[in-house]
Amino acid sequence: AQTIHQWPVAEIKAVGSPLSLGCTIKGKSSPNLYWYWQATGGTLQQLFYSITVGQVESVVQLNLSASRPKDDQFILSTEKLLLSHSGFYLCAWSLGERLFFGHGTKLSVL
Amino acid sequence: GDQVEQSPSALSLHEGTGSALRCNFTTTMRAVQWFQQNSRGSLINLFYLASGTKENGRLKSTFNSKESYSTLHIRDAQLEDSGTYFCAAEGGDYNQGKLIFGQGTKLSIKP
Repeated sequence: AQTIHQWPVAEIKAVGSPLSLGCTIKGKSSPNLYWYWQATGGTLQQLFYSITVGQVESVVQLNLSASRPKDDQFILSTEKLLLSHSGFYLCAWSLGERLFFGHGTKLSVL
Repeated sequence: GDQVEQSPSALSLHEGTGSALRCNFTTTMRAVQWFQQNSRGSLINLFYLASGTKENGRLKSTFNSKESYSTLHIRDAQLEDSGTYFCAAEGGDYNQGKLIFGQGTKLSIKP
């Protein structure tokens, strides 16, 4: 069975500090991978998607970047956090139809 | 741009009752998905529809692409149905991976 693991579960970071969030998918070969962001009480905003290793498309510009170094791994990062980066980050996968989410990472930027 | 309008924004039901959530689309959508987000933030995929109606237990969803709407019906509501429900649609100008989410319906089930 496929599993999706996100890390860390939660982070508290200072403005201007770097960030790296990770996501691993097991049990599926060459899935489409996605990063979403959700403000508290808000809807989901797609940030990035990737259909293959080494290829990442940006959907919105939020001073964040993403990389897919392996088929089953998706990384979200930034060198300098902003207050506006606070929120809930969700990794997701699909094989073209249904979208399945990880449990998310709660990020607080202070 | 493409938009998804979800209603109501909040809904309160007593256990055992039912209701419907709705999403209206401003442009032609290729497919729709419905998700439940629980109190821990986890999102559960309830349905994927490219057309027609699907049913799963106490939930039923319909997608009418011609009239640009989708509904999610809940019957015999249980406490565990509480959470926020989102619809998400693939735009007509389908850009692979671009899924547009509605603003969500916060559902509270009361004993």
